[in-house]
Amino acid sequence: GEDVEQSLFLSVREGDSSVINCTYTDSSSTYLYWYKQEPGAGLQLLTYIFSNMDMKQDQRLTVLLNKKDKHLSLRIADTQTGDSAIYFCAEENQAGTALIFGKGTTLSVSS
Amino acid sequence: SQTIHQWPATLVQPVGSPLSLECTVEGTSNPNLYWYRQAAGRGLQLLFYSVGIGQISSEVPQNLSASRPQDRQFILSSKKLLLSDSGFYLCAWSVGAGSGNTIYFGEGSWLTVV
Repeated sequence: GEDVEQSLFLSVREGDSSVINCTYTDSSSTYLYWYKQEPGAGLQLLTYIFSNMDMKQDQRLTVLLNKKDKHLSLRIADTQTGDSAIYFCAEENQAGTALIFGKGTTLSVSS
Repeated sequence: SQTIHQWPATLVQPVGSPLSLECTVEGTSNPNLYWYRQAAGRGLQLLFYSVGIGQISSEVPQNLSASRPQDRQFILSSKKLLLSDSGFYLCAWSVGAGSGNTIYFGEGSWLTVV
């Protein structure tokens, strides 16, 4: 079945870049997603990338996709304390009817 | 614009009691609807999804059930709660079917079973 793996914690200093990594198993997933969850809240879509692309940039966010290695990363430039949250990587299930999420990476930003 | 509401936001229930969490979506028709659970250290687990009224797919065997009595209403239920049912429950929706679904989440419901 589908599986999404990501490291559980990342700690960075304010102003540094953060890189959150993810590996997935289903190569048929057309889109791959990054979601952000702030404490006590639901998940918000941050960005997504079409599987035929290898990079997508959106302001401070850069998504890199290595489809051969099934590796996805999210880079946050100039990380701010407001970026502290849990970040989830997600792929589509094989039926294309739902998203399968990783366990989430807790990003802690210190000033 | 589309909005999603789920309630109650927090719930403390004794073991063996019933559960009903409700979710409604506004501003769209025939959405796909989902219930996810987020338990400590286990990430986000898909529990149920529905592509239409009365159509429910269960992803994992469990003590919970889901129903979709109306197009934009999704209900998560249990007849007898277990301690292991504690967690953060998230309702979500997407449009269409097939690849490329972006899923939008509600604010979540905290359930503590005591």
